[in-house]
Amino acid sequence: NAGVTQTPKFRVLKTGQSMTLLCAQDMNHEYMYWYRQDPGMGLRLIHYSVGEGTTAKGEVPDGYNVSRLKKQNFLLGLESAAPSQTSVYFCASSFLRTGLSSYEQYFGPGTRLTVT
Amino acid sequence: SQQGEEDPQALSIQEGENATMNCSYKTSINNLQWYRQNSGRGLVHLILIRSNEREKHSGRLRVTLDTSKKSSSLLITASRAADTASYFCATGGGSTLGRLYFGRGTQLTVWP
Repeated sequence: NAGVTQTPKFRVLKTGQSMTLLCAQDMNHEYMYWYRQDPGMGLRLIHYSVGEGTTAKGEVPDGYNVSRLKKQNFLLGLESAAPSQTSVYFCASSFLRTGLSSYEQYFGPGTRLTVT
Repeated sequence: SQQGEEDPQALSIQEGENATMNCSYKTSINNLQWYRQNSGRGLVHLILIRSNEREKHSGRLRVTLDTSKKSSSLLITASRAADTASYFCATGGGSTLGRLYFGRGTQLTVWP
């Protein structure tokens, strides 16, 4: 049981390049999330998904796109990378339990992205 | 904002001492969670307390919740060097199902 995995672990991009970050979970969770973490800013939600084929915007969605074609995978795309997107990106997944509006999230190890 | 805010931003203690971190939030919640993040790693869920609970324990962790004051505290008893990490509170129960709102964290350093 690998939990939540992220690919790649590190990446350096030049401004204007594109890339896709892959998140995979083997816990059959319905919900998946993409966050970015910057010094002093905590975690900010980029996009999330409440099920296969569905996505929604979070707090800071501009410059990113996502897709959830399979329940276990959640992809985050940067079409034209900018230095402001230099950050550590975390994927998380969760399920819901009766009586709670949200439950514990399981996080991946993160992807450290630098845009020069 | 529904985001929680932790206090203090940084805390430094000796092994064996207790560590207390606080979290304040602004809107009504369904539950509040605490997470730990070791340097360079992902967040790990520690404990969840529901809005109708006042206190919860898990090992050396004790969490309290005061919904009238919109605040929570995380107590780590008999701290160890391995407890050195950032600790985040996260609130759930906003208008978006499944969404959590994270604070900026408290950096705890436990000296041997």
